[in-house]
Amino acid sequence: RKEVEQDPGPFNVPEGATVAFNCTYSNSASQSFFWYRQDCRKEPKLLMSVYSSGNEDGRFTAQLNRASQYISLLIRDSKLSDSATYLCVVPNGGGYNKLIFGAGTRLAVHP
Amino acid sequence: EPEVTQTPSHQVTQMGQEVILRCVPISNHLYFYWYRQILGQKVEFLVSFYNNEISEKSEIFDDQFSVERPDGSNFTLKIRSTKLEDSAMYFCASRGSGNTIYFGEGSWLTVV
Repeated sequence: RKEVEQDPGPFNVPEGATVAFNCTYSNSASQSFFWYRQDCRKEPKLLMSVYSSGNEDGRFTAQLNRASQYISLLIRDSKLSDSATYLCVVPNGGGYNKLIFGAGTRLAVHP
Repeated sequence: EPEVTQTPSHQVTQMGQEVILRCVPISNHLYFYWYRQILGQKVEFLVSFYNNEISEKSEIFDDQFSVERPDGSNFTLKIRSTKLEDSAMYFCASRGSGNTIYFGEGSWLTVV
C-alpha cells in the first residue's frame, strides 16, 4: 500500500452537489490527519484537521476510520470556489516533523 | 493573519549554478520546513529544522542541499549545483507549538 493514496479524479460536479473524497494511509502509528486545499500553482492551505473519529466545519465533514486506515472528506452544497485539488496529508509516525502528502484529488465545480 | 513569506517568487538559473531560496517564517514559530513540488506531482518533504539544527531530512535532501537560519528571522535553502531535475516549486513552512503547519506561497525554480 502507498503511504497515502487518493483517487486522482477529476470530479466534475454541478454547483450544489455533494461530493466525497477518499484517502487511505499505510502508517498505522499516525494519530492525526489533515485535509489541505491547493489551488493551481499555489501553496497548500489547511482545510481541516482530524484527530478523533471526525470533524465538521460548515459544509465540510471529515471522517476517520482507524481500523481501515481510511479518511474521507465530504463537501456539501458545492460552490464554484470549491474548485481546487484536495490533499490528504498524514504525519509520518507520531510527530509532525514530516508530512506525507497524497497526490491529491481534483475537484471542478461547474455552474 | 501572520504568514510565511518567501523570496524570490520565481527564479531561472543555469544548470550548475548555486541558488539560495529565502524564507521568513511566522515570527513566534519554532519548527521550520522545506518541501518541494515538481510540476504535476505531489508535495514532497525535504527537511525539517528545529533548535538550529536539522531534525529530519528525506533522501532527496542530499549533499547538494543545505539549510541555514543565519539570523533570528530568515531560513534559507541552498542548492549548491543545480540540476535540471531540481526544477520545482519550493515551499517553506513553519509551525508553532500546535500541530498546524503553515506554508509560504512558494518559490518557483526553473533550471535551464
